[in-house]
Amino acid sequence: KAGVTQTPRYLIKTRGQQVTLSCSPISGHRSVSWYQQTPGQGLQFLFEYFSETQRNKGNFPGRFSGRQFSNSRSEMNVSTLELGDSALYLCASSLLQGARLDEQYFGPGTRLTVT
Amino acid sequence: QKEVEQDPGPLSVPEGAIVSLNCTYSNSAFQYFMWYRQYSRKGPELLMYTYSSGNKEDGRFTAQVDKSSKYISLFIRDSQPSDSATYLCAMSRSGGSNYKLTFGKGTLLTVNP
Repeated sequence: KAGVTQTPRYLIKTRGQQVTLSCSPISGHRSVSWYQQTPGQGLQFLFEYFSETQRNKGNFPGRFSGRQFSNSRSEMNVSTLELGDSALYLCASSLLQGARLDEQYFGPGTRLTVT
Repeated sequence: QKEVEQDPGPLSVPEGAIVSLNCTYSNSAFQYFMWYRQYSRKGPELLMYTYSSGNKEDGRFTAQVDKSSKYISLFIRDSQPSDSATYLCAMSRSGGSNYKLTFGKGTLLTVNP
């Protein structure tokens, strides 16, 4: 069974630009969560999508948004990029919303660098 | 005070050593405790998942939770070069709410052959 896939794996953008990251969950999984990982703040929850609806949101500004499609694939968008948005963006999938924490699987991440 | 504190290391040990990784936390409501391993250029992979206090063993890995001291540990016996990775602790009040997961910043471990 294929794992969680994220594209692209690496991305370099300029301040002020916007970026879209993509996540394909494990086949059959319907919940997708997004996390930001930085050396300074560690791993922080961004938002969770289930059945094409955002179910939970972390403490991030409105520049961070996402969506989920009917096939459970999810995209995350960051507008008006800032230098501090440079991070590893991780996607995790689970079968259902509110699944046990040990049933959540992470993808390899997209490394975003903002210059 | 940060909710979860984890010594970032780096920690360097010889092959075969016993490794001890630790996290402290301040929120007494945390009930679920996890350890993740993250290799370079990969996402975190769940290693251990425990509920409340006590020990849990899985092969060379042992997780300990001491809720009275708000302290959790991961022990790796007979460490191998393949154990070289960043280890993240994480904890939650609820077992089914990933949005409430609080992570430590991770400890970078290198096991030298």
